[in-house]
Amino acid sequence: GESVGLHLPTLSVQEGDNSIINCAYSNSASDYFIWYKQESGKGPQFIIDIRSNMDKRQGQRVTVLLNKTVKHLSLQIAATQPGDSAVYFCAENILTTDSWGKLQFGAGTQVVVTP
Amino acid sequence: EAQVTQNPRYLITVTGKKLTVTCSQNMNHEYMSWYRQDPGLGLRQIYYSMNVEVTDKGDVPEGYKVSRKEKRNFPLILESPSPNQTSLYFCASRLFVGGRGTGELFFGEGSRLTVL
Repeated sequence: GESVGLHLPTLSVQEGDNSIINCAYSNSASDYFIWYKQESGKGPQFIIDIRSNMDKRQGQRVTVLLNKTVKHLSLQIAATQPGDSAVYFCAENILTTDSWGKLQFGAGTQVVVTP
Repeated sequence: EAQVTQNPRYLITVTGKKLTVTCSQNMNHEYMSWYRQDPGLGLRQIYYSMNVEVTDKGDVPEGYKVSRKEKRNFPLILESPSPNQTSLYFCASRLFVGGRGTGELFFGEGSRLTVL
């Protein structure tokens, strides 16, 4: 079946460098995509989302890129800080008949920021 | 403060002993959902509710029940827990705007359940 997946289970990044977390999706019916951050012992927190009619969206220190041609989503974190250490999930919103859509999550990528 | 509150946060129980994990949100969201999180499997949806008295199965509903008698509460019930239900559980709620669900799921802090 169609699924959301992540290329790298663990990403080690030096403090101050930029991080790039990748995600592949295969469901053409998805209308938007979301990135969540989950710190140890906490619930996932919304970071940023992007609609399928956009290629790029920027937030504070984060940028999400969407390449619909190859069905690829990425999250870029600028100047990675120790507080960015967490598990990052991508999720796609698959359109459903009830209009709510169904959020399907990837397995997550552990980002470890080293000094 | 806008939040989703789950209780208990931690629970150790034995096989077959019924338990309920409560979930409450104060954001007046129509949509609520339960997920379980297991290593390597990410978040999998158990049940969801689009409004009061409206519930539906997610991807892994077996062994679970839910109810939605009030908008703010969405308890998860394990009638006869088994060891394979040992997991980290998250309740979440979501806003419905302009005829569509928004992306931002608000999650609770999680409930770690161990079934012996």
